[in-house]
Amino acid sequence: NAGVTQTPKFRVLKTGQSMTLLCAQDMNHEYMYWYRQDPGMGLRLIHYSVGEGTTAKGEVPDGYNVSRLKKQNFLLGLESAAPSQTSVYFCASSYPGIPNIQYFGAGTRLSVL
Amino acid sequence: DQQVKQNSPSLSVQEGRISILNCDYTNSMFDYFLWYKKYPAEGPTFLISISSIKDKNEDGRFTVFLNKSAKHLSLHIVPSQPGDSAVYFCAASGQDAGGTSYGKLTFGQGTILTVHP
Repeated sequence: NAGVTQTPKFRVLKTGQSMTLLCAQDMNHEYMYWYRQDPGMGLRLIHYSVGEGTTAKGEVPDGYNVSRLKKQNFLLGLESAAPSQTSVYFCASSYPGIPNIQYFGAGTRLSVL
Repeated sequence: DQQVKQNSPSLSVQEGRISILNCDYTNSMFDYFLWYKKYPAEGPTFLISISSIKDKNEDGRFTVFLNKSAKHLSLHIVPSQPGDSAVYFCAASGQDAGGTSYGKLTFGQGTILTVHP
C-alpha cells in the first residue's frame, strides 16, 4: 500500500537546468497538490489539480509548471532552475470532502547551485 | 502577510505532562482547521481537525480547542510521550469567493515539539 510516492528523493541542479518531479498516488484521489517547504515558512502551495487534465495556480506558482495527464500522476516541472527554488517539495492528494484531509509523500529535497 | 501563524518555533515537555501547541489566524473565512504531524525525512500526516462551528474536538490523547472570537486554536496532547516528538503544523481551509476551496490549505510555520523521557 504505497499511498503517495515522490521521485526523486534528492536532486542537485545547476542554475538554469531543468527537471521534473514526479508524484504518483494509488488511492484514486481526485485532488492533487504540490507544496514547497522552506525554513520558517511552513508549507506553501505551488499548484494544484482537481482532476485529470486540470491544473490551477496556488500561492507561489512562478517558475514552475505542472501537468496531470493521468489521474494518478501529478508532475512538477522547473524549466530553468534558480537558487531561490532550493527547497523541500511535497506532493499531496485527497478526495473532495470536508474537511479535506490530504495525504503527503515523503518529499523531494532539491538544491540549486 | 501570513494568515496562519505558529509563534512558538519550539516546545520542550517532560514525558507524561501536557503539551500545548498554539496557532493564530487572521482570515475569518477559514471554516476548517487541521493539525498535521511531521517526522524528519517523512511527509506530514493528518492528526486531528475541527470545524469552525465547534469549539472542541477530541481524539484519544489529542484535543483541539478553537476560540473563534480570538482567532486562536490550540492542540493539547495528554499525556505526552517521547514518540510525540515531531514538528506540528497548523493548517486552515476555507471557501473562496466562488464558494469552493478544492481543499487548499494554508499552513503555519510549524512548532518543533520535543518530549523528554
